[in-house]
Amino acid sequence: AQKVTQAQTEISVVEKEDVTLDCVYETRDTTYYLFWYKQPPSGELVFLIRRNSFDEQNEISGRYSWNFQKSTSSFNFTITASQVVDSAVYFCALNQAAGNKLTFGGGTRVLVKP
Amino acid sequence: SAVISQKPSRDICQRGTSLTIQCQVDSQVTMMFWYRQQPGQSLTLIATANQGSEATYESGFVIDKFPISRPNLTFSTLTVSNMSPEDSSIYLCSSSGETQYFGPGTRLLVL
Repeated sequence: AQKVTQAQTEISVVEKEDVTLDCVYETRDTTYYLFWYKQPPSGELVFLIRRNSFDEQNEISGRYSWNFQKSTSSFNFTITASQVVDSAVYFCALNQAAGNKLTFGGGTRVLVKP
Repeated sequence: SAVISQKPSRDICQRGTSLTIQCQVDSQVTMMFWYRQQPGQSLTLIATANQGSEATYESGFVIDKFPISRPNLTFSTLTVSNMSPEDSSIYLCSSSGETQYFGPGTRLLVL
């Protein structure tokens, strides 16, 4: 069975601070995919990144960066120089094959104060 | 990326009634998924909808309560039947593919 754990339920920061969201996963599959989604107060789920299990290269996209470490089964997400618009719930998710159902972590609520 | 729309965006319903939620994808997809997000919680998969066959339900979800239709490769419906206040949630659909994209969700409040 697959499992995704986001130990931090809520993080509060002041604007311009960096914030790192932790994600730890469990799976017996050798091929799997990891995702991060953002859910702003409006409720829609916004795709941020997809990473497959064979690609451990870290990725940076603007103020967002992701650190994938297979040895520790972690896929952490950092927001650099946070902004108020980053306030949302962030979900880490896992599926065993492309197109298959997702297993979500519990989510981390990020509150960025001005 | 797939563009997914859902109708209605929100609704307030009375206990004991049923609501059908529609999900439309802008391209043909093999599978569509229905998720429920209860207040303050994460997303839980209700079922996987395949065209031409019955939906596959996850543990804790049954067809009588959440009947699903999948008449073609771009459309699916989820019905929440005989609703109770515990069904108050956001219901989201998504499409299969390398990346799962989600519809905007349907916010349901049952009184």
